[in-house]
Amino acid sequence: SQTIHQWPATLVQPVGSPLSLECTVEGTSNPNLYWYRQAAGRGLQLLFYSVGIGQISSEVPQNLSASRPQDRQFILSSKKLLLSDSGFYLCAWSRMTGAMWETQYFGPGTRLLVL
Amino acid sequence: AQTVTQSQPEMSVQEAETVTLSCTYDTSESNYYLFWYKQPPSRQMILVIRQEAYKQQNATENRFSVNFQKAAKSFSLKISDSQLGDTAMYFCASLYNNNDMRFGAGTRLTVKP
Repeated sequence: SQTIHQWPATLVQPVGSPLSLECTVEGTSNPNLYWYRQAAGRGLQLLFYSVGIGQISSEVPQNLSASRPQDRQFILSSKKLLLSDSGFYLCAWSRMTGAMWETQYFGPGTRLLVL
Repeated sequence: AQTVTQSQPEMSVQEAETVTLSCTYDTSESNYYLFWYKQPPSRQMILVIRQEAYKQQNATENRFSVNFQKAAKSFSLKISDSQLGDTAMYFCASLYNNNDMRFGAGTRLTVKP
């Protein structure tokens, strides 16, 4: 069966500090990978998705970047955090069946608080 | 733009009763998926049920079922025999060919003992 991991679970960082959040998937190969952000009491906003190693698509221009150094590893980074980067970050994976990418399965998430 | 609308910010139901959560979507695509996700206080997103647009039969998963009205672009979730563990945020979502999943704003469901 497939499993998706995220770490850290919780992070408190000062404004201007760097950020690195990691997501890994087990039990599948060539997954599509996604980073979402959820502000308090709100829905999910897609930040980045990747269809393969080194391939990143950005949905929202912002202070964040993403990288995919390995097939099942997806990293969300920032060089200098802003207060507005606070939120709940979710990683997800999906696979392709036929002509469409299918159900997205989510990791446990990372709570980020920027002070 | 493809949008998903959940018009009920909050709902409550008595334990063991039935509740229906509403969702409408807007798309010009012919092939797509629709989902309901549950987000309990732990905040992990858990898939509840999914529906392929080309299937006329409504999806069911144990106590959860959907009423998919393609012409009306409506996708409601019915929870039967509600349990305390069903208390959570519920998000409706749509997925189209462009690999972009859109989420509604969510409905907070409280199951009362």
